[in-house]
Amino acid sequence: EPEVTQTPSHQVTQMGQEVILRCVPISNHLYFYWYRQILGQKVEFLVSFYNNEISEKSEIFDDQFSVERPDGSNFTLKIRSTKLEDSAMYFCASSPKGQGIYNEQFFGPGTRLTVL
Amino acid sequence: AQKVTQAQTEISVVEKEDVTLDCVYETRDTTYYLFWYKQPPSGELVFLIRRNSFDEQNEISGRYSWNFQKSTSSFNFTITASQVVDSAVYFCALSDPHSNYGGSQGNLIFGKGTKLSVKP
Repeated sequence: EPEVTQTPSHQVTQMGQEVILRCVPISNHLYFYWYRQILGQKVEFLVSFYNNEISEKSEIFDDQFSVERPDGSNFTLKIRSTKLEDSAMYFCASSPKGQGIYNEQFFGPGTRLTVL
Repeated sequence: AQKVTQAQTEISVVEKEDVTLDCVYETRDTTYYLFWYKQPPSGELVFLIRRNSFDEQNEISGRYSWNFQKSTSSFNFTITASQVVDSAVYFCALSDPHSNYGGSQGNLIFGKGTKLSVKP
């Protein structure tokens, strides 16, 4: 069964460094998302992406964050200068094109980011 | 504003007991979708169910059942005859209707989750 994959599974970085989290969505999906989950807390929406551009972003997604779909398969989240509070699990999700209904989002296994 | 409340932070039961996880939501839209996801200790998010606002029929899938009541804005989840493998954090989520897709593929708003521990 197709699934969303994410790499790496765990990333440790120093404060102020740039990190790129990678995701390969399910191949025929058209909508892509990033969410984050600070340890022990709820899952929070960061950004959605459709047709090669950002569709929505939350207040968390400030100028330090960017997303890109550099080719036909990868979807990346870049954090330009990491802060301690960026430590969290980052989930990528994808969804097929809806036809008047809301399709479920398929989540990847997550990347645990630790900022030291 | 859209909001999902899962008032139960943690629940502990003994195997074979039935357990109900509560979810109450707030939305100003008439068309919306509700979801349950399971997050086992390994950390991934596993989709369990989607329900749209026009379908108030209860659903049963094996030991799982869901009770959707628009009148009380609740979408509760019951596990019958719980097993140790059911131990996980369970999240209720609501589709954000005010998205660029006209409510069809917007982001999800999650509750804080309920941690279920099933002891042998």
